[in-house]
Amino acid sequence: ETAVFQTPNYHVTQVGNEVSFNCKQTLGHDTMYWYKQDSKKLLKIMFSYNNKQLIVNETVPRRFSPQSSDKAHLNLRIKSVEPEDSAVYLCASRPTGGTSAETLYFGSGTRLTVL
Amino acid sequence: SQLAEENSWALSVHEGESVTVNCSYKTSITALQWYRQKSGKGPAQLILIRSNEREKRNGRLRATLDTSSQSSSLSITATRCEDTAVYFCATSSGGNYKPTFGKGTSLVVHP
Repeated sequence: ETAVFQTPNYHVTQVGNEVSFNCKQTLGHDTMYWYKQDSKKLLKIMFSYNNKQLIVNETVPRRFSPQSSDKAHLNLRIKSVEPEDSAVYLCASRPTGGTSAETLYFGSGTRLTVL
Repeated sequence: SQLAEENSWALSVHEGESVTVNCSYKTSITALQWYRQKSGKGPAQLILIRSNEREKRNGRLRATLDTSSQSSSLSITATRCEDTAVYFCATSSGGNYKPTFGKGTSLVVHP
């Protein structure tokens, strides 16, 4: 049952444009993540937020910026997209405590194609 | 660099057969998770096994963990076509929690 919702499902754009992806989780979790999955299915963490605070910021280009209005929402903006940004962007959340504190709950992803 | 890695890119079996996916990792861990990703969906956790555990089961799934060789395996018995997916192992090592995923093993189960 889906509890992490991502929009849009797909987005096609031109090099140099700005794009924004949205993510909302209804699980009441405190921590949310953005992962990038390339064409070979490799998953790389980009950012992590805990209760609206940035706690993990991997080495990603500065054109990527996460935005969190509350702990249930974590959006991703890309200014001036590049061809190498073509990928699936996956949002995830996890609970802070309890027996399943390490479990990530993923959305279905946003597939970005940069022409 | 990848801290966790599955040992096979792709596996193919027929329904009803058993299959094992292996994973190796390079750092000390607190837990290892196995995830499955079906086409068009995000990964979903199958099993979490902690560093002080050696085996964990979930229905037809069995995960093992060997911290001395830094390896884990996920076995699926009586495979079904719906088991067709990419299987990932993911490691975590406490502190600033950021699970690291392996490259994934694509499993195809043929009817």
